Parts: sequence; C-alpha cells; structure tokens
Amino acid sequence: EVQLLESGGGLVQPGGSLRLSCAASGFTFSRYAMNWVRQAPGKGLEWVSGVSNSGDDTYYADSVKGRFTISRDNSKNTVYLQLNSLRDEDTAVYYCAKDYLPQTSSPPFQHWGQGTLVSVST
Amino acid sequence: DIQLTQSPSTLSASVGDRVTITCRATQSIGSWLAWYQQKPGKAPKFLIYRASRLENGVPSRFSGSGSGTEFTLSISSLQPDDFATYYCQYYKTYGFGQGTKVEIK
Repeated sequence: EVQLLESGGGLVQPGGSLRLSCAASGFTFSRYAMNWVRQAPGKGLEWVSGVSNSGDDTYYADSVKGRFTISRDNSKNTVYLQLNSLRDEDTAVYYCAKDYLPQTSSPPFQHWGQGTLVSVST
Repeated sequence: DIQLTQSPSTLSASVGDRVTITCRATQSIGSWLAWYQQKPGKAPKFLIYRASRLENGVPSRFSGSGSGTEFTLSISSLQPDDFATYYCQYYKTYGFGQGTKVEIK
C-alpha cells in the first residue's frame, strides 16, 4: 500500500523558514516524480512544486519561485520542500503527491499524503 | 498560460440525481485532463485521467468526457459518499480548476 507521510509544518513568522518532509513507502520511490500541492484555508488546490524521479529536474509555480526549493533523497524515500521568505499568503495545508506513471514528471497525481499545515503569522 | 474554469461553482443535488460538472480550458488541451474528488479535511482522491479513463477502483457511476477546450465529469446516480468538491487539472501546467462543490439539496 502506498503511503505518503508529511511532516514539518507549524507556525512561523513572516520572513521565516520551514522544511517540509514527505516520507514515502509502498512503491519504488526512485521511479516516480513527486510534487507538493497546497490548499489555503477555504480555497482550492494550488500546485507548488515538482521534482523528477532522479532529482535532476525541478519545477515551481511562479508564486513560490526563488523562495521554495524542492529536493529528494532516494536513499531515504523522502521528498523535501524548503520554504524560505514565508508570507502570510503561504498559509496552507501542504500535500505531498506522487505521479501516476513512473519517470514522466507529469500529472495526474495518483496518491496523496494527508497534508501538513503551515501557518504564517505574527 | 492556459486557465481552467469549472462550472458551476456549487451544485445542489439529491441522492439519485445525475450531475454534470464542466471544466473549460482557455485553449485546446487535447485530452490532457484529470479529475479529483476532495472531502472536507481530507486529501484529494484521483478519479479520472486522460479526460475519460477511470482510475482503478473508482465506481462506474463516474465518467469523464470531452477534448479540446470543454470537458465534463458526470455522476450517473449521486450517492451519499459523492458529496464533495471536484477539481479538474491540466497536465502540462499542473494547474487546477477552482473547484465545484456538490452539496445536498
């Protein structure tokens, strides 16, 4: 069974940083691209970032480019999202999501974690 | 950038109703569209890929159709478990539609 377990969320002040982690199990992690999708309170889904299965290629939404960094450690079956220069509007539940097909770096996202809440506030 | 617009934003329906949600793209996107279901406080669930192909385990009352700029997600006979918010997603930009909430009438 595929499992994705996010951690690292919390309350942070504007301008602060956090690192989110997503521990994966139940599939061959190194074969699949991974993504982060967020959802602000009461709002819709927003794709944030993706990383290829090898980690060589990374992709970002314009809203986070230059502030967030995605990475992965295939030896630990974990994907990370480093959040820097956080703003109020980054407050959201952050979901980790696995691509449907191996080695494609493309939606759809077949499996999702339960999410971790990031709150940016003074 | 290609944008996705869903309609309606909210849909009120009863158990047993047939419901249809539309997702329109600002330019042709072929069949590169997926659909998801999300319940309050839960992660999204993957339903449909390539506009019309049902993910394994998704009930057959769900169906997707369309290509180019107009797509639909239909539920043939709404069940209590189907009251949720539904999102479309375009493969190439990773972007989602704004969502359609299906609520109890």
